[in-house]
Amino acid sequence: GENVEQHPSTLSVQEGDSAVIKCTYSDSASNYFPWYKQELGKGPQLIIDIRSNVGEKKDQRIAVTLNKTAKHFSLHITETQPEDSAVYFCAATVKAAGNKLTFGGGTRVLVKP
Amino acid sequence: SAVISQKPSRDICQRGTSLTIQCQVDSQVTMMFWYRQQPGQSLTLIATANQGSEATYESGFVIDKFPISRPNLTFSTLTVSNMSPEDSSIYLCSVGPDSYTEAFFGQGTRLTVV
Repeated sequence: GENVEQHPSTLSVQEGDSAVIKCTYSDSASNYFPWYKQELGKGPQLIIDIRSNVGEKKDQRIAVTLNKTAKHFSLHITETQPEDSAVYFCAATVKAAGNKLTFGGGTRVLVKP
Repeated sequence: SAVISQKPSRDICQRGTSLTIQCQVDSQVTMMFWYRQQPGQSLTLIATANQGSEATYESGFVIDKFPISRPNLTFSTLTVSNMSPEDSSIYLCSVGPDSYTEAFFGQGTRLTVV
């Protein structure tokens, strides 16, 4: 089955700097890669996703890149703000009915004011 | 996007008892998923719940411990049975992804077993 590894496990950045989180996956058939943000006491919130026919996707300060050949994808947050502090999870799956998400281990991001 | 409501949001339970968690979705969905998130850990899939059939459990999870109901296309329950302190976790309900939608999560049920 799919295996997703996520690095780093913790990330501390100064407000205004960029943050990058990297994930690798094992199943070359995976074609859908969402990212979730989880704040304390809340469920995971989808913040951005990418499909395998796209190499990069951007939404304001957040971007995701995908390298299918190397089987890795990354989350980029620019101009970080204190409210970006949270745990971020990557995931991978084959996007079709009945297919399950496999999650990375999570990255705890702390943005220092 | 789907709106998912879970109840209760948190509970403290005595060991040996059972707790049933409810999950309500604002639209009809074929599959619903139940995850466990142990303290400081990632999400682990417990089972997939289809309407009209038995739930499909992942390795390490059994129906006797985590019975699931799926009476219709908008509702599911997960019961944590005969609880021990090791069951203290956040339990999350989700829908998707499928060919048309992304995966969305409820706010979770924070369970503490004492």
